[in-house]
Amino acid sequence: KAGVTQTPRYLIKTRGQQVTLSCSPISGHRSVSWYQQTPGQGLQFLFEYFSETQRNKGNFPGRFSGRQFSNSRSEMNVSTLELGDSALYLCASGSRGVADTQYFGPGTRLTVL
Amino acid sequence: SQQGEEDPQALSIQEGENATMNCSYKTSINNLQWYRQNSGRGLVHLILIRSNEREKHSGRLRVTLDTSKKSSSLLITASRAADTASYFCATEGAGGTSYGKLTFGQGTILTVHP
Repeated sequence: KAGVTQTPRYLIKTRGQQVTLSCSPISGHRSVSWYQQTPGQGLQFLFEYFSETQRNKGNFPGRFSGRQFSNSRSEMNVSTLELGDSALYLCASGSRGVADTQYFGPGTRLTVL
Repeated sequence: SQQGEEDPQALSIQEGENATMNCSYKTSINNLQWYRQNSGRGLVHLILIRSNEREKHSGRLRVTLDTSKKSSSLLITASRAADTASYFCATEGAGGTSYGKLTFGQGTILTVHP
């Protein structure tokens, strides 16, 4: 099976812009989670989607949003970018999203100037 | 906030030696997973151990879990230079409502010298 794919791999934006990141899970997986990784805060959970429904959400401002499509592909959007949003954004897929392994994609490196 | 604390923060060894990393966590868990990350790339899943398991093996990896102490350890035997990476433990909270949420430790940076 193909692994988790994320596009784009690298992105440079300026403050105030918005950005959309995409994640395609492993075939057959219905759960997609998003994480932000920064040197200061480490890996932090953003949200999880299962069958197009957000089931769980981390402690991030409303500027961070996501959605999932009927084919389980997911997108994450960040509006009004801030310098502190510069990070590696990782998505992970799982078959159920609970009590199972999460498989991560290669990540999208976002730089906000 | 990070639930897990990993120890040591950095570990430097020679090829052929064993590497042991420890992880502690604070709340009840369904399972604990170990991941490897090379130079800011994606996370590679190594092993999952459930809360009712005490030990698991996978190739050169051995993971133990002590739920009474809320701690886990990852042992890599006969280390290779290619094992150089950051290693993270991640916990899924108990209760069935942790949907997709793993809580990560800060990681251990392992350097294996040829």
